[in-house]
Amino acid sequence: EAQVTQNPRYLITVTGKKLTVTCSQNMNHEYMSWYRQDPGLGLRQIYYSMNVEVTDKGDVPEGYKVSRKEKRNFPLILESPSPNQTSLYFCASSFEGRSSLRNEQFFGPGTRLTVL
Amino acid sequence: AQKVTQAQTEISVVEKEDVTLDCVYETRDTTYYLFWYKQPPSGELVFLIRRNSFDEQNEISGRYSWNFQKSTSSFNFTITASQVVDSAVYFCALSEVSTSGTYKYIFGTGTRLKVLA
Repeated sequence: EAQVTQNPRYLITVTGKKLTVTCSQNMNHEYMSWYRQDPGLGLRQIYYSMNVEVTDKGDVPEGYKVSRKEKRNFPLILESPSPNQTSLYFCASSFEGRSSLRNEQFFGPGTRLTVL
Repeated sequence: AQKVTQAQTEISVVEKEDVTLDCVYETRDTTYYLFWYKQPPSGELVFLIRRNSFDEQNEISGRYSWNFQKSTSSFNFTITASQVVDSAVYFCALSEVSTSGTYKYIFGTGTRLKVLA
């Protein structure tokens, strides 16, 4: 089954304790992205990656890191989480065609993170 | 700067009513893409439709229709004869080439639609 998986689905942690949220897709998609969803703010792009070893900042990258060492994986790293990073996080992926058609994104189920 | 505005925070309708969700965007580019996604109460995000900036043809899919007007920078979504299952948060999104040559996505803040039985 084609899908984007995220782990963990729920996480409660404390300020300053490094954490990683994993994201994996099995569709051989080039483009992967992380978003956070907050009430009243919609979805905001944190980081995205056009392909392996190619990453770029979205609109809210502060406090986050990413890496893209393999095509299928795109982990989100919070080196020193703070309470303002409490949010619902979504990973997404999409196919990048040579025709530059923008394809729809497939989203993971979301990770609800609480930082105390 | 690119921006997507969904001015309607929440809409409530009675089942079988028609409802239109508004989306207004701003972009400096001539090539861009617009999307609608649905987020039902279960939380997942589901793709509904994509439009590129060169295709202003309106589209109908069952009870759903989309009206894209470049002149007003709008990409509105209409649900005809709404049903309770249409209750969800709907997001409009814009994709364009960033200054570094990569693609960025900008989502609106979403419109929560409640369809009452």
